[in-house]
Amino acid sequence: QTVVTQGPSSSVSPGGTVTLTCGLRSGSVSTSYFASWYQQTPGQTPRTLIYNTDTRSSGVPDRFSGSILGNKAALTITGAQAEDESDYYCLLYMGSDTWMFGGGTKLTVL
Amino acid sequence: EVPLVESGGGLVQPGGSLKLSCAASGFIFSGSYLHWVRQASGKGLEWLGRIRNKDYHYATHYAASVQGRFTISRDDSTNTAYLQMNSLKTEDTAVYYCTRDGGNHQFDYWGHGALVTVSS
Repeated sequence: QTVVTQGPSSSVSPGGTVTLTCGLRSGSVSTSYFASWYQQTPGQTPRTLIYNTDTRSSGVPDRFSGSILGNKAALTITGAQAEDESDYYCLLYMGSDTWMFGGGTKLTVL
Repeated sequence: EVPLVESGGGLVQPGGSLKLSCAASGFIFSGSYLHWVRQASGKGLEWLGRIRNKDYHYATHYAASVQGRFTISRDDSTNTAYLQMNSLKTEDTAVYYCTRDGGNHQFDYWGHGALVTVSS
């Protein structure tokens, strides 16, 4: 049973905008979960995009942004590019010095 | 220069043990917290555990899935973190990454991973 939920797949047209979400099977995600987002292409190491809900990591293009939308953490890509086609994982702080990843979302740019 | 380099992966039989190393460079290792994360082939990322620094008595915390079987340790004199894995199961087969906690819940540096295969 997946506690941290992400949609399995999403698609966006080049230049378009897409929002990926990260929720909980039970409850709402707030800033207290310190959501972070990671991008991973097959065979590569994860790359940190966003941390502490909405802070962009060093060197990450400003087309990537993080937020809380309703009861979920969200990663929005504005002006998607072909190289954004990747798997995206959210990570939530679950308290008591433990963390949990979501199952990941496969983003297709077409 | 790659900040984190894992080593020690390989093939081990079910029920066996293996110890991974994570060698750090380019940052103040002794002040940092380190996490271990794994990824089975074709699957998602799984957080395994974290070790704090000396100021917090090298406290460790683990995911329920590995609690009691896996142990994280570190040697600040050699800038190395370790993941001791005991009672290994076939479902522990994965690439194991070490990653630095850069503060504010940011996992900022990642190693390239070490492949562990549990099979008879």
